[in-house]
Amino acid sequence: AQTVTQSQPEMSVQEAETVTLSCTYDTSESDYYLFWYKQPPSRQMILVIRQEAYKQQNATENRFSVNFQKAAKSFSLKISDSQLGDAAMYFCAYKGVISNFGNEKLTFGTGTRLTIIP
Amino acid sequence: GAVVSQHPSWVICKSGTSVKIECRSLDFQATTMFWYRQFPKQSLMLMATSNEGSKATYEQGVEKDKFLINHASLTLSTLTVTSAHPEDSSFYICSASRTSGLPPYEQYFGPGTRLTVT
Repeated sequence: AQTVTQSQPEMSVQEAETVTLSCTYDTSESDYYLFWYKQPPSRQMILVIRQEAYKQQNATENRFSVNFQKAAKSFSLKISDSQLGDAAMYFCAYKGVISNFGNEKLTFGTGTRLTIIP
Repeated sequence: GAVVSQHPSWVICKSGTSVKIECRSLDFQATTMFWYRQFPKQSLMLMATSNEGSKATYEQGVEKDKFLINHASLTLSTLTVTSAHPEDSSFYICSASRTSGLPPYEQYFGPGTRLTVT
């Protein structure tokens, strides 16, 4: 079974600075997807960024980027120019590719609570 | 696009009664929907995967007779908590997987339902 590990229960960063959240995973599959989700106090899950395992290029979405190391099974999220609105729980998630039907489940890590210091 | 709604957003019920939570994909068809449970300050725990027109697949340890899931159409899935008890109090989140277009058929999350059993 796949597992996702987030070893940092809490992180804090000064506003406008850069922070990196760590995530490692374990799988025997060669093709899969990785995601970072944000859950603000409203508890609405918001997709931040996704990475396809077959792509070597690291995904980037504005201030958010990932460092995907497939051999090391590592998938960290870097947030640049941190803003107060970035304060939230961040979950790393894994999704396998059993078929193209889309019903594969997500496996979530335990989350990292990010605090932004004004 | 890709909006998922849940109703109600918050429900209080008495111990021993049943409560139904609805999950709707508003602007897309979802062959697969997922139901999660989230305890305070914890990660999302997958309860079951439901496919339109077929029986739900429950995760190990989830009581299928207590948590009844119906996925009657491509836009609606329901979770019924039967004979609810205080320990069933939790935050329930649904997600829907779009199955048109290209992979990875991301899951889009509803805003969640807070269930309090008194």
